[in-house]
Parts: sequence; structure tokens; C-alpha cells
Amino acid sequence: DIQMTQSPASLSASVGDSVTISCRASQNIGTSLSWFHQKPGTSPNLLVYSTSNLQSGVPSRFRGSGSGTDFTLTISSLQPEDFATYFCQQSYKSPWTFGQGTKVEIK
Amino acid sequence: DVQLVESGGGLVKPGGSLRLSCAASGFTFLDYTIHWVRQAPGKGLEWVSSISSSSNYRKYADSLKDRFTISRDNTKKSVYLEMNSLRTEDTAVYYCVREAWNYPHWYFDLWGRGTQVTVSS
Repeated sequence: DIQMTQSPASLSASVGDSVTISCRASQNIGTSLSWFHQKPGTSPNLLVYSTSNLQSGVPSRFRGSGSGTDFTLTISSLQPEDFATYFCQQSYKSPWTFGQGTKVEIK
Repeated sequence: DVQLVESGGGLVKPGGSLRLSCAASGFTFLDYTIHWVRQAPGKGLEWVSSISSSSNYRKYADSLKDRFTISRDNTKKSVYLEMNSLRTEDTAVYYCVREAWNYPHWYFDLWGRGTQVTVSS
């Protein structure tokens, strides 16, 4: 199975800050990577697919990049609704696997 | 509304069985592969199983395929997950998820709210 490793596990930031979350795949996955965020008690919500494509309705302050094994999600100008846990996921090869999550907390 | 709604979760003893259901609405159900993904308490996301639009292709996580069976009824716009020989480690929220396709990639674009499965004596 392809292992997905996110870093950091958690981070603290303030409203208006820019943050970057990293995701590394254990093998080359091309650009078959998605990002989700999840708030407590709710289901995950798609932010980015195919590494850099914003899902409809997602604000442009979210930006995904990378290819191969190294990927990043950047959130510029954090908003109060962005404090959540973020997951990456590969869809290159079954079984589809997820990173362990990065919790973005308010400083 | 475009949505997936799970049901059928609950409290079951180790060794017991449950059948989860996922009802779709607001989109052409026949066009989509549907997945189940679970999340144990305080943990990350784990892919469980998937079924193609015509039920021709069914996949399972290696650790589960001997105990779980996925099926669908396109006339009822529903997907099911039959879970047998349940273990305490199967305790999780189970999400029903739609797979979208945008060449050349697949991705999960729609999630249900989930149904809680608790396996405990």
C-alpha cells in the first residue's frame, strides 16, 4: 500500500497568517492527490483534487501544489472557518490511502 | 439536494453483524462508483470498500474482505455494507463517499454525514 505522511501533525496560527501543510507519498503518485478538511463532528470536505484543482466553491486562498512524492497545501490569510484538521489522500493506486491529518489550531 | 445519507449503525457485540445502508439523492446514481470510508474515534480516515456503478468491480481493504461485503441496488439508489464477525477495532464512523472522475484522476467529491458503529460487549 502507498503510505501518506503529513507534516506537521499540528500547528498553531492566527487569523490572517499563511500556513503550509506537507504530504509525502511512499512512491510516485503523479498528481493523483486530494486535500480535505474536517471540523469536529462533521464529515470531510473536498478542497483540492488532482493536486492543484480547487473544488467548486472553495475559496482561492487555498492552493495545492507538488507532484511525484511531495505535495503541499497552502492556506493564505487564514480565516476563522479554516481552523480544522486537514487530510491528504492518494488516488493513484488502490487501496486509496490518507495521511494521518494536520490539525490547524488558533494561536 | 445532492446528498448521501447513511443509516444502520449502532451498538453490537463482538462477533455480531450489521448492515449499513447509503441512500443517494439529487444526482444520477448509475453514473458513480461509491465507496465506504471509516474513521475510528480520534483517528484518521481508512478506506474500506468500493463498488462500481454496475457492481462489476468490488474492492475491499485487505484486512476486511473476508468479513465485509459491499452491494448496491440501482433501482433504490442505495449501497450497502454487510459487516460480519465484528471486532472492537471496527468501531468507527462509517462514511459513504461518491467517486468523481475528471480526466485523468478520480477523487472523493461527496461525503455523507456518517453512521456510528460501536462494537462492544
